[in-house]
Amino acid sequence: QVQLVQSGAEVKKSGASVKVSCKASGYGFRAFGMHWVRQAPGQRLEWMGWINGDNGNTRYPQKFQGRLTITRDTSASTAYMELSRLRSEDTAVYYCARDGIEPGNGGDAWGQGTLVTVSS
Amino acid sequence: SYELTQSPSVSVSPGQTATITCSGDELGDRYVCWYQQKPGQSPVLVLYQSTRRPSGIPERFSGSSSGNTATLTISGTQDMDDADYYCQTWDRSLVVFGGGTKLTVL
Repeated sequence: QVQLVQSGAEVKKSGASVKVSCKASGYGFRAFGMHWVRQAPGQRLEWMGWINGDNGNTRYPQKFQGRLTITRDTSASTAYMELSRLRSEDTAVYYCARDGIEPGNGGDAWGQGTLVTVSS
Repeated sequence: SYELTQSPSVSVSPGQTATITCSGDELGDRYVCWYQQKPGQSPVLVLYQSTRRPSGIPERFSGSSSGNTATLTISGTQDMDDADYYCQTWDRSLVVFGGGTKLTVL
């Protein structure tokens, strides 16, 4: 079955960077894109960006451009999310979610989430 | 930027029908997805392409979309449906989430 397993919780200082991994199994990694979504404590889901599993093309909302890098390693079936210049507002649970192949399919499988805590 | 608006909370009695709405400019012309999220858990896709259910999602979950509003309907609501529900769409290939609706089954 489709499974996305994320790396463990992180505690970082303000100004540092964090890199979260998402290892996929149970499907052809290159055939699907991957989203990254975060959720601050008690807050809404916030989309951070997407990567094409085949060619590595990415899309980011303006809010994260310049501070977020999403990459993938097809040989390891793993996607990565790296956020730099961390601040306290970046404290959140970060999720990866597989992008369904067809338009309008949404995130049809999600990782378990990775808590990133940013302290000053 | 494109925005989706959801009511913060909806209450329903067990066995009744719950209706959760999501509004956005010409939302009926876009695909909409709905996610269910229970406390401490990852979101789960319950509807995609506005009206379609993934395998494993009960038939009591249904969706519609027209004009500026998309609707998630839960018929015969059960205690296990008590959760947060988020709508989601796309705007120029960028993903947009609504603010979420807390469904309370009481």
